Amino acid sequence: DTGVSQDPRHKITKRGQNVTFRCDPISEHNRLYWYRQTLGQGPEFLTYFQNEAQLEKSRLLSDRFSAERPKGSFSTLEIQRTEQGDSAMYLCASSGTSGSSYNEQFFGPGTRLTVL
Amino acid sequence: QQQVKQSPQSLIVQKGGISIINCAYENTAFDYFPWYQQFPGKGPALLIAIRPDVSEKKEGRFTISFNKSAKQFSLHIMDSQPGDSATYFCAARTGVMDSSYKLIFGSGTRLLVRP
Repeated sequence: DTGVSQDPRHKITKRGQNVTFRCDPISEHNRLYWYRQTLGQGPEFLTYFQNEAQLEKSRLLSDRFSAERPKGSFSTLEIQRTEQGDSAMYLCASSGTSGSSYNEQFFGPGTRLTVL
Repeated sequence: QQQVKQSPQSLIVQKGGISIINCAYENTAFDYFPWYQQFPGKGPALLIAIRPDVSEKKEGRFTISFNKSAKQFSLHIMDSQPGDSATYFCAARTGVMDSSYKLIFGSGTRLLVRP
């Protein structure tokens, strides 16, 4: 399968714990995005990487959140000292910068985080 | 100014009917408008997309109509089927406004197609 993959698919944690999610983008895509989706809402942008460089972060991304994309391949999103308000679906998307004129973003299946 | 407003919030259509979902935006710098379909527990899947220099795009039973002057666009699902029951999101891409080309999503429309 050559789509975007995310791991884990579900994560239940207690308030105050740290969690880390992984995203593997489509292999030839150099742009990688993280979005957060709460129940009944559309996805909201969190952060963007072009290759290994993190070029934009949303105000939604508090300093408890950190994202990396070492070597420009997979990415990780870490949330420290989780709060109940962090409960959401965390979505990863990737896109290319050449070939398709649209440079569509393709989404992974998401990681559902529940903070107790 | 970066909002995308979507309506209706929910929609019930009989099998074989036409489903219509509408979106509106303010920022004329958006450069690309995709629609995504999302089933419960899954990530959004790209359905169809349009650039603002095109007024209509059709792919199978799905059509996007785009009105640049009104800053509105809509998704039409012809011959709606029960398998189309899902949540649909419109989105707008930031284009040259910033380097990220991120998507700004509408709030979603939950479509139910009755057999």
